Amino acid sequence: DVKVTQSSRYLVKRTGEKVFLECVQDMDHENMFWYRQDPGLGLRLIYFSYDVKMKEKGDIPEGYSVSREKKERFSLILESASTNQTSMYLCASSLLIKDNEQFFGPGTRLTVL
Amino acid sequence: GENVEQHPSTLSVQEGDSAVIKCTYSDSASNYFPWYKQELGKRPQLIIDIRSNVGEKKDQRIAVTLNKTAKHFSLHITETQPEDSAVYFCAASISGGSYIPTFGRGTSLIVHP
Repeated sequence: DVKVTQSSRYLVKRTGEKVFLECVQDMDHENMFWYRQDPGLGLRLIYFSYDVKMKEKGDIPEGYSVSREKKERFSLILESASTNQTSMYLCASSLLIKDNEQFFGPGTRLTVL
Repeated sequence: GENVEQHPSTLSVQEGDSAVIKCTYSDSASNYFPWYKQELGKRPQLIIDIRSNVGEKKDQRIAVTLNKTAKHFSLHITETQPEDSAVYFCAASISGGSYIPTFGRGTSLIVHP
């Protein structure tokens, strides 16, 4: 089974702090994604990566950056956390072939005070 | 870009009833349509998908139909059970090397015993 793990299930940070969310997958998937999930807004794509050191902006990249130094690991960085970044963050991965299932991590509930 | 509309946002049914969730998409080039189920506190997981060369697909109590002309697709759940209670997301994408689906906003299905 594909296993996608995220570094924290719950995280509480202060406004202005730098926040790192990490995602690791163990199935050699090329594609990795970061989503933000808010009630009524569904899954919104923040960034995705299709290869090591490659990244592409999604629909809502403002206030976020990402890093992919190794194939299995994709990090989401909030340079200066703000209260409007309080949300559930989901990581996902998939193979680099067409029509492929996305495998999601358990999510990180981030609260910015 | 692709736009996916999903309705209803909330659906309440009695156990044993059928449930139907509908999605429309805008890009006629989209040709892959997965459905994900997210139980409370858990990660989204693929439950069924359909490709544009197929009009209907069934898997036990769930089925998905696709109308390419009208650009809409639907999830049908028959004989609903309390464990079907979850948020369901539809998505649309175009086959290619980088699989980036556009998600609907989700439908919260509540099955009352």
